[in-house]
Amino acid sequence: NAGVTQTPKFQVLKTGQSMTLQCAQDMNHNSMYWYRQDPGMGLRLIYYSASEGTTDKGEVPNGYNVSRLNKREFSLRLESAAPSQTSVYFCASSEIGLAKNIQYFGAGTRLSVL
Amino acid sequence: DAKTTQPPSMDCAEGRAANLPCNHSTISGNEYVYWYRQIHSQGPQYIIHGLKNNETNEMASLIITEDRKSSTLILPHATLRDTAVYYCIVRAISGNTGKLIFGQGTTLQVKP
Repeated sequence: NAGVTQTPKFQVLKTGQSMTLQCAQDMNHNSMYWYRQDPGMGLRLIYYSASEGTTDKGEVPNGYNVSRLNKREFSLRLESAAPSQTSVYFCASSEIGLAKNIQYFGAGTRLSVL
Repeated sequence: DAKTTQPPSMDCAEGRAANLPCNHSTISGNEYVYWYRQIHSQGPQYIIHGLKNNETNEMASLIITEDRKSSTLILPHATLRDTAVYYCIVRAISGNTGKLIFGQGTTLQVKP
């Protein structure tokens, strides 16, 4: 049981380049999330998908787009990368409901934008 | 979601109990207290959550005061592998989309 899998683990981009971060979960969860974590800071929510077919903005959505491809997969796209997007990106999934709502996180993608 | 306040850092001797406090004075009646931790460079890991009763699982115990305005996470026998940033998060389970709002957390250093 892999849980939440993120690819790639590391990436270096030049300013203006685009890329897509991939996330897949095998726990049959309805909800998925993308966070970013800057050095010495807590996680900040970028986008989330409460269920298949829906996406919503989080705290820091500017410069990002997301796609909930199916129930398993939730991707994050940087259309034109900027140095301010240098960060560690975490994907998470959860099941929503009373006594649940525990989020499970992937190992992260470390992105540097030069 | 209610705001939480945690000390920025704490030390604990290996083998001793680690007691991590969290203040959440504006907590609402339908909001739970969650604890996650993040070991260096890894994704956050769920530890425990509770509403108003004390909770215990294989990882930790959660003590919530009677007025629910504060709580304490207890790691009964801390090991070096418990060195991590611990996040206290307050949120409702039902009627929302499950978002978590992370603060700065408490950096726990377990020392030999």
